[in-house]
Amino acid sequence: EAGVTQFPSHSVIEKGQTVTLRCDPISGHDNLYWYRRVMGKEIKFLLHFVKESKQDESGMPNNRFLAERTGGTYSTLKVQPAELEDSGVYFCASSAGAHQETQYFGPGTRLLVL
Amino acid sequence: QKEVEQNSGPLSVPEGAIASLNCTYSDRGSQSFFWYRQYSGKSPELIMFIYSNGDKEDGRFTAQLNKASQYVSLLIRDSQPSDSATYLCAVNGGTSYGKLTFGQGTILTVHP
Repeated sequence: EAGVTQFPSHSVIEKGQTVTLRCDPISGHDNLYWYRRVMGKEIKFLLHFVKESKQDESGMPNNRFLAERTGGTYSTLKVQPAELEDSGVYFCASSAGAHQETQYFGPGTRLLVL
Repeated sequence: QKEVEQNSGPLSVPEGAIASLNCTYSDRGSQSFFWYRQYSGKSPELIMFIYSNGDKEDGRFTAQLNKASQYVSLLIRDSQPSDSATYLCAVNGGTSYGKLTFGQGTILTVHP
């Protein structure tokens, strides 16, 4: 069974540009999460999808971040326009359920904004 | 006060010794607790999860939970150099239904 996959693995962009990150969860997992780790800090929650609906987006930093999960399969996270402080590693995770369920993480996308 | 706190280390133990990793959390309503291992540049990988007070053993790993003290720990017996990694404590439930709240991680080094 394939795990959580993310694309791209790395992205280097200039301030003000747009970047779109993609996550493909484990097949059959209704729950999809985005997290971010900024250098030197702990992994922080961004948002949680249940199928195509946003269950919790309390961790989204601001309106420059837009997450979608059309059709309840893969998800995209768009940053527009990117700022220097957006640099970090963006992880996607998925789980079969939400409550007490194990979340499986993807390899992450390393984003560097110059 | 951070929601989930871990000693960032680094924790250095000799091969074959027991490594003890600790974590405290602030949300008393938290219900599930996870230990992830993360090698440099890789994704977090689940090691153990625990929901009930007491100990849970899986091979060389033992997770311990004390909800009254809001404390969870991970013991690694017979530590191997391959156990060298960052260990992340994560908490689910309570006010953070669904999402995981992570500690900063403890860097463990097992030297031969």
